[in-house]
Amino acid sequence: QLQLQESGPGLVKPSETLSLTCTVSGDSISGTTYYWGWIRQPPGRGLEWIATIYYTGSSFYNPSLKSRLTISLDTSKNQVSLKVTSVTAADTAIYYCARVNVLAFDSWGQGALVTVSS
Amino acid sequence: QSALTQPPSASGSPGQSVTLSCTGSSSDIGSYYYVSWYQQHPGKAPKLVIYEVSERPSGVPDRFSGSKSGNTASLTVSGLQPEDEADYYCCSYAGSNKYVFGAGTRVTVL
Repeated sequence: QLQLQESGPGLVKPSETLSLTCTVSGDSISGTTYYWGWIRQPPGRGLEWIATIYYTGSSFYNPSLKSRLTISLDTSKNQVSLKVTSVTAADTAIYYCARVNVLAFDSWGQGALVTVSS
Repeated sequence: QSALTQPPSASGSPGQSVTLSCTGSSSDIGSYYYVSWYQQHPGKAPKLVIYEVSERPSGVPDRFSGSKSGNTASLTVSGLQPEDEADYYCCSYAGSNKYVFGAGTRVTVL
């Protein structure tokens, strides 16, 4: 059974870099069928697609955030990672990782709340 | 890349049907058959209920159905049940491996 588990710092200071990891079990991120992605949700607000990556390492970013984002794969640990640089309070959100199947997010992690505050 | 437009709220009595709309543009919904819908209960992660406009994942009741016309997609929940009370988000593929979500519709079962 597929499971995705996000982990992160919980609290990040403004202007610093946010690093998140998604550990995948029950499927290999090295497979050719699926992409893997990150979506975030500010408190009380809607969902926002952030980034997606394929097993080849090809990565795709939300244009509005692209300059601050890096998504990557660690196939040895079966993990998908996300880095967001120069964070502000606007980056405070629950960050979800998800599997992408037929261009839909078919499995989600439970989410990791990240608060940006000094 | 603008967010898709969804009404903020909708409601219906148990057993009734409710239809949620999701309006995009010719760059997203109008160009691709890759519209998906997600159900989110408070404090929980979103759950996929419809993909490829009208396909239901295994385990999703057939009370959930989807359609698309032009730049607008719709989700219909028939035979409303109390557990259907949740937020619903639409999402469309927007080309070049990009996606756009709607702001969500809160469904209340009266």
